[in-house]
Amino acid sequence: DAGVTQSPTHLIKTRGQQVTLRCSPISGHKSVSWYQQVLGQGPQFIFQYYEKEERGRGNFPDRFSARQFPNYSSELNVNALLLGDSALYLCASSFGAGGQEDTQYFGPGTRLTVL
Amino acid sequence: GQQVMQIPQYQHVQEGEDFTTYCNSSTTLSNIQWYKQRPGGHPVFLIQLVKSGEVKKQKRLTFQFGEAKKNSSLHITATQTTDVGTYFCAGPITQGGSEKLVFGKGTKLTVNP
Repeated sequence: DAGVTQSPTHLIKTRGQQVTLRCSPISGHKSVSWYQQVLGQGPQFIFQYYEKEERGRGNFPDRFSARQFPNYSSELNVNALLLGDSALYLCASSFGAGGQEDTQYFGPGTRLTVL
Repeated sequence: GQQVMQIPQYQHVQEGEDFTTYCNSSTTLSNIQWYKQRPGGHPVFLIQLVKSGEVKKQKRLTFQFGEAKKNSSLHITATQTTDVGTYFCAGPITQGGSEKLVFGKGTKLTVNP
């Protein structure tokens, strides 16, 4: 079975532009979470979606938005890009919405560079 | 705010030496998870600890969850070059009515052959 897939793998944008990142969860998983990982830091939670509804939001500005589709895939959108948005964006899928038995499986990430 | 802290930030060892990383939370956790991220890779789930005082072993790796469920440790016996990477702990923390997984900053392990 395929793991979590993300596209694109790398992306270069300029300040002020908008970007859309895509994630396909493991088959059968209904939850997708997005994380931002800046070099040298741990992943920071951005959003969680479960059954197409937002279940959690981290401390990120409104420039960040996401959605989940009926097939449980997800998109993360970032508007008005800033230099500080340069990071590895990770998607993680899990079967349920969280809880003690819900392991998260990470995708390979999208490396976003903002110039 | 609620945080998950890890020490040390970096650890360099000779192959065959032991390695330990420590994780502390400012709040009691329902569980603690450990991940490994190889250079250039993505976090890979290692284990989840749920019970107070729990100890789990995976070959040369030993994971502990503190009695108060606020701290945890990962110990690697006789490190190998394949152990190189950054080890993260993460715990679910409720903020603003929703639960999110909060990661520590990680401990970067390098192993000299």
